[in-house]
Amino acid sequence: DSGVTQTPKHLITATGQRVTLRCSPRSGDLSVYWYQQSLDQGLQFLIQYYNGEERAKGNILERFSAQQFPDLHSELNLSSLELGDSALYFCASSVLSTDNEQFFGPGTRLTVL
Amino acid sequence: AQTVTQSQPEMSVQEAETVTLSCTYDTSESDYYLFWYKQPPSRQMILVIRQEAYKQQNATENRFSVNFQKAAKSFSLKISDSQLGDAAMYFCAYRSPRRDDKIIFGKGTRLHILP
Repeated sequence: DSGVTQTPKHLITATGQRVTLRCSPRSGDLSVYWYQQSLDQGLQFLIQYYNGEERAKGNILERFSAQQFPDLHSELNLSSLELGDSALYFCASSVLSTDNEQFFGPGTRLTVL
Repeated sequence: AQTVTQSQPEMSVQEAETVTLSCTYDTSESDYYLFWYKQPPSRQMILVIRQEAYKQQNATENRFSVNFQKAAKSFSLKISDSQLGDAAMYFCAYRSPRRDDKIIFGKGTRLHILP
């Protein structure tokens, strides 16, 4: 158990819908990262927050957005969902934004029908 | 831009034998960090081993060791005395030491352990 929690574990929804994925970092970690893993692919970095502020952006679609709240939990919002958005979404956390070790949550499996 | 390449989509090894997973990367930076992550069927991402590029000594964690060849930009993972629990996807990953930089993952190697 890494100490990073993600909810829900599974999510099934329809095209065109909007969903919110939630992540709680390890106690004391200020930095949160979101990754997308499509079927049997490596992880693609989406976005990073540090202490409430956006720090880095990767290949995140405009339909996707994220935020980190004062209690440091983070939410990833996915809207106008398409079939291709079906994937495993991981959240990871680290103490600082420059830490080399990121601790990964168990992931949220999103299925878009 | 940095890239990470794992040329072996799948590998198999007999239980108790040794296997080596290959990884090459491309970067213009002189200092960076390299990682191997394991993803078992549970899908949890588990850090197996990491290597700082400025360190010449190869990292070792119990049965897992790396062969880091900086000039060749090669970072292979050796698993000794393979166990059934080692069956998983293994991802090689790179991170720049620059502030706020992301981890870049390879596409992975699926490792099968044959009893």
